[in-house]
Amino acid sequence: AQSVSQHNHHVILSEAASLELGCNYSYGGTVNLFWYVQYPGQHLQLLLKYFSGDPLVKGIKGFEAEFIKSKFSFNLRKPSVQWSDTAEYFCAVNAGNNRKLIWGLGTSLGVNP
Amino acid sequence: DGGITQSPKYLFRKEGQNVTLSCEQNLNHDAMYWYRQDPGQGLRLIYYSQIVNDFQKGDIAEGYSVSREKKESFPLTVTSAQKNPTAFYLCATLPRDSPNYGYTFGSGTRLTVV
Repeated sequence: AQSVSQHNHHVILSEAASLELGCNYSYGGTVNLFWYVQYPGQHLQLLLKYFSGDPLVKGIKGFEAEFIKSKFSFNLRKPSVQWSDTAEYFCAVNAGNNRKLIWGLGTSLGVNP
Repeated sequence: DGGITQSPKYLFRKEGQNVTLSCEQNLNHDAMYWYRQDPGQGLRLIYYSQIVNDFQKGDIAEGYSVSREKKESFPLTVTSAQKNPTAFYLCATLPRDSPNYGYTFGSGTRLTVV
């Protein structure tokens, strides 16, 4: 069965630290990959997405993610986090033109000022 | 403004009662989805609908029902058969021609059984 794995359930960083959140999926065919963010008390927002082309994609608020096909990974990165990045981050995969998304369990990020 | 409206934002239900959550969209998106979000469990798909008058069960459909009589509306009923209904419910939409675009989400309804 298709699945998405987010390695870190809770991450706590200090401001200006670098961030990398892991995401791996299990599907051998064509995939579309997404990172969503949910700030406290707000709805889910699309952070960035990959569906073709350059495997390094840039999203909003200085986030980026790299699709590594050989590793079935789509890790999220940010060079220097801010307190306002405190949120829950979800990785999701749309596999084989299926119109359903498969979701990871989420990573809760806390940034200390 | 285009978007998804979920109402109410907070809902309290007594055990044994059915309750209906509203999801309305003016994005002209074809597909609509209901997810349940619980702490530590991510998002789980309850039901989805690709077109009007058609819908499919997701991964946790038991105890829920939906209808899709209009393109704009996809209400979710949480029935008394749902054993643990207290959760945060999210509605999402997807346009027909741009599945790569990603979902648009509503702001959610928090249901509490008292």
